[in-house]
Amino acid sequence: AQSVAQPEDQVNVAEGNPLTVKCTYSVSGNPYLFWYVQYPNRGLQFLLKYITGDNLVKGSYGFEAEFNKSQTSFHLKKPSALVSDSALYFCAVRDPNIGNEKLTFGTGTRLTIIP
Amino acid sequence: GAGVSQTPSNKVTEKGKYVELRCDPISGHTALYWYRQSLGQGPEFLIYFQGTGAADDSGLPNDRFFAVRPEGSVSTLKIQRTERGDSAVYLCASSSSGTGGTGELFFGEGSRLTVL
Repeated sequence: AQSVAQPEDQVNVAEGNPLTVKCTYSVSGNPYLFWYVQYPNRGLQFLLKYITGDNLVKGSYGFEAEFNKSQTSFHLKKPSALVSDSALYFCAVRDPNIGNEKLTFGTGTRLTIIP
Repeated sequence: GAGVSQTPSNKVTEKGKYVELRCDPISGHTALYWYRQSLGQGPEFLIYFQGTGAADDSGLPNDRFFAVRPEGSVSTLKIQRTERGDSAVYLCASSSSGTGGTGELFFGEGSRLTVL
C-alpha cells in the first residue's frame, strides 16, 4: 500500500527565514511524489513533482523539494519565506508499480509566515 | 472558463436525501478524479475516469456512492440516502494524461456537502 505522512500539523516561520515542510512516504518501489498547496477558498494547486532524475526538484513560487530515497522523504523547502506563502500544504504519493492512478495525500501542514 | 468548475459550491441536505454534485473539467482533459476531504484531513481518493469509463472506483466507500461521465467530459457524483458522515468537501480534478503520465492534477474549488 502507498502512504504518506506529514508529521507537523503546523509550522511557523518568520518572514525572510528559510522554511521546511516535512513529508515521508511508503511505497513498494520507486515513488512518484507531489506537493500541492491550498490557499483559503481556493482549490488545491500543484507546486512540484518528483518522478525520476535529479533528486532536487524546483517548482512554482520559488519552492523546491529534495527526494531522499534512503530516508524515504520528500521535504518541501524555500530559502526565504514570504507572508504570501501562508497556506495549507499537502504531500502526495503514487506507486507506479501497482497499476493504479490514485494519489494518496497526507493530512496537510499549515504553514504560517510571521511578518 | 479555464479551470475545473464544480457545482454547487455549497449543498445542505437532510439525512436520507439524494444529492448530485457536478464537475466540469478543463476542456480536453481525458482523466477525471473525485476526491473527498473531511475537516482536518487530506483529500481521499474516490474514483478515477479515463474518458467515459470508471477505470478505478476502489475509493467509493459503499454502494450509496456512484459517479458517471457519460460523454467523457462532465461528471456527476451521486450520493443516495445521505448520512451525516457524508458531510465533507468533494473535490474534482482533471488531468491531460493522468498521474500515470506524471501529469499534475488540476483541482476545482470543491462542493461542500453538509448533511443535517
